[in-house]
Amino acid sequence: SAVISQKPSRDICQRGTSLTIQCQVDSQVTMMFWYRQQPGQSLTLIATANQGSEATYESGFVIDKFPISRPNLTFSTLTVSNMSPEDSSIYLCSVDVLGQAGANVLTFGAGSRLTVL
Amino acid sequence: LAKTTQPISMDSYEGQEVNITCSHNNIATNDYITWYQQFPSQGPRFIIQGYKTKVTNEVASLFIPADRKSSTLSLPRVSLSDTAVYYCLVFSGNTPLVFGKGTRLSVIA
Repeated sequence: SAVISQKPSRDICQRGTSLTIQCQVDSQVTMMFWYRQQPGQSLTLIATANQGSEATYESGFVIDKFPISRPNLTFSTLTVSNMSPEDSSIYLCSVDVLGQAGANVLTFGAGSRLTVL
Repeated sequence: LAKTTQPISMDSYEGQEVNITCSHNNIATNDYITWYQQFPSQGPRFIIQGYKTKVTNEVASLFIPADRKSSTLSLPRVSLSDTAVYYCLVFSGNTPLVFGKGTRLSVIA
């Protein structure tokens, strides 16, 4: 399975600033996804990072707030822009790996814990 | 996307078998059923996946009845380290996984 490295693992940021989270995979993967997990909650899909084209955002998430880059098949970044305390969450990068049953299986990074003051 | 329903929480003693059932009444013909486990401060981890009948691996078993409208994750002889949140998901092809609230399993000594 793929190994994912996320940086930073955690950060404390001031309101109004922006932070870019990096996701590096040790192999080429087709699909990369960004999720958010607010304290005590389940995971919410932010967007699908598409290589060579604009990311596909889920309802409630927009490019101006969460710009995503995917310059190649092993790397992606998620920026959280103009942060507010409500953006305090864990942000997780995930990639798909062809599963045993022929359908996709996701591997997740350890996440980036973001606290906005 | 088929919506899933699973218990919010479960408790079990060490050494017992735990069965977590997930309902997915609107599952489509091409959908697979997959389960993930998440420990605190970690990303979810794939446990098992199936389409129909029974699937078993070194971690768990997955039972899927003929109508596929539900599935049961079975964890044999749980230990304290199995305390985690377990997510049931249904999806097809390359569609992104949508996580529900999951089942919080607490294993008690």
